[in-house]
Amino acid sequence: GEDVEQSLFLSVREGDSSVINCTYTDSSSTYLYWYKQEPGAGLQLLTYIFSNMDMKQDQRLTVLLNKKDKHLSLRIADTQTGDSAIYFCAETFGANSGGYQKVTFGIGTKLQVIP
Amino acid sequence: ETGVTQSPTHLIKTRGQQVTLRCSSQSGHNTVSWYQQALGQGPQFIFQYYREEENGRGNFPPRFSGLQFPNYSSELNVNALELDDSALYLCASGPGTSGSNNEQFFGPGTRLTVL
Repeated sequence: GEDVEQSLFLSVREGDSSVINCTYTDSSSTYLYWYKQEPGAGLQLLTYIFSNMDMKQDQRLTVLLNKKDKHLSLRIADTQTGDSAIYFCAETFGANSGGYQKVTFGIGTKLQVIP
Repeated sequence: ETGVTQSPTHLIKTRGQQVTLRCSSQSGHNTVSWYQQALGQGPQFIFQYYREEENGRGNFPPRFSGLQFPNYSSELNVNALELDDSALYLCASGPGTSGSNNEQFFGPGTRLTVL
């Protein structure tokens, strides 16, 4: 079955790098996502990585995927106070021919950035 | 701004009542998914609609039902409300094209409180 696990809380100082970790169980996952949720808001897709990739970089964000260990990480360089939010790791198989796509989320990691 | 809207923003109901939550998807998106996010948890997949038919369901009882309309609007209906139904309900729309990343665009959510 599908299961996604994350640590609950991470505190970093402004300007430092943040690393949020995630493990998943389903080796057939096709896409792995990182979503950001600010208080009172919906989910914002930050970045995603396809399962045949090891790394993806997008400005301050670096995603690393270790498919053997089913481990995903999100590194935020030069963390700012505006990065304070809850970060969700999620996995999906991608849509099938009938358009069906279920996304399985982790519990979320609350990132606190200290000025 | 994802182009997905939900109404109402907040809602208070009592146990045993029925509720209808609404979502307006991006134009051209064939799929709409609904998620339940309890406090301190990640979103849990309720079901997905593709071209007005339910094509996938998570571990939720039949009193959770939905409708999708040709004008890219959709509804989530919950009958016989229970206290544990108190949560943030998120809808997400996507193109529903197989073989692609299929990013889902989330609305801001409806906060339902059951007393």
